[in-house]
Amino acid sequence: GENVEQHPSTLSVQEGDSAVIKCTYSDSASNYFPWYKQELGKGPQLIIDIRSNVGEKKDQRIAVTLNKTAKHFSLHITETQPEDSAVYFCAGGSYIPTFGRGTSLIVHP
Amino acid sequence: KAGVTQTPRYLIKTRGQQVTLSCSPISGHRSVSWYQQTPGQGLQFLFEYFSETQRNKGNFPGRFSGRQFSNSRSEMNVSTLELGDSALYLCASSGSIAGTGELFFGEGSRLTVL
Repeated sequence: GENVEQHPSTLSVQEGDSAVIKCTYSDSASNYFPWYKQELGKGPQLIIDIRSNVGEKKDQRIAVTLNKTAKHFSLHITETQPEDSAVYFCAGGSYIPTFGRGTSLIVHP
Repeated sequence: KAGVTQTPRYLIKTRGQQVTLSCSPISGHRSVSWYQQTPGQGLQFLFEYFSETQRNKGNFPGRFSGRQFSNSRSEMNVSTLELGDSALYLCASSGSIAGTGELFFGEGSRLTVL
């Protein structure tokens, strides 16, 4: 089955800095890579996703890149704000997504 | 549009007991998945139901079971509870028929086993 590794487990940045979270996957058949944000006391919420026929996707301050050859994908958040503080999960798969273990992002004002 | 609703939100059980958790998906969504979330393991897939049929199952023991009703509402049951079953149980619904697509998560049921 699919195995998704996510790094770092904790990321601390200053407001206005950029944040990058990286994930690798093992199954070359995986074709869908979503990113979820989980705020305290809430369920995860999709923030952006990318499919294997696309190399990069942007939505305002967030972007995701995918390198199929190397089997890794990354989440980029620019101009971070305190409200970006949350746990971020990457996931990958061709049907049922396998989740990474999460990155706790802390944005200091 | 109402989101995914999970009940109860919090519960405390003792070892050996059983528990039933309920999930009401977004109206029109026929796929319901269940995940176990723990600090060390992240989100672990339990099972997925579509139109009352279990389509996929994760790597959990038989003590974990589920079902889906004709109105797409789903329940999961854990029998003979162990301390290690303490976790946040998340339900997610999807409008995708084929599989990959956005999952809409509920806020979860936090189970504590004493």
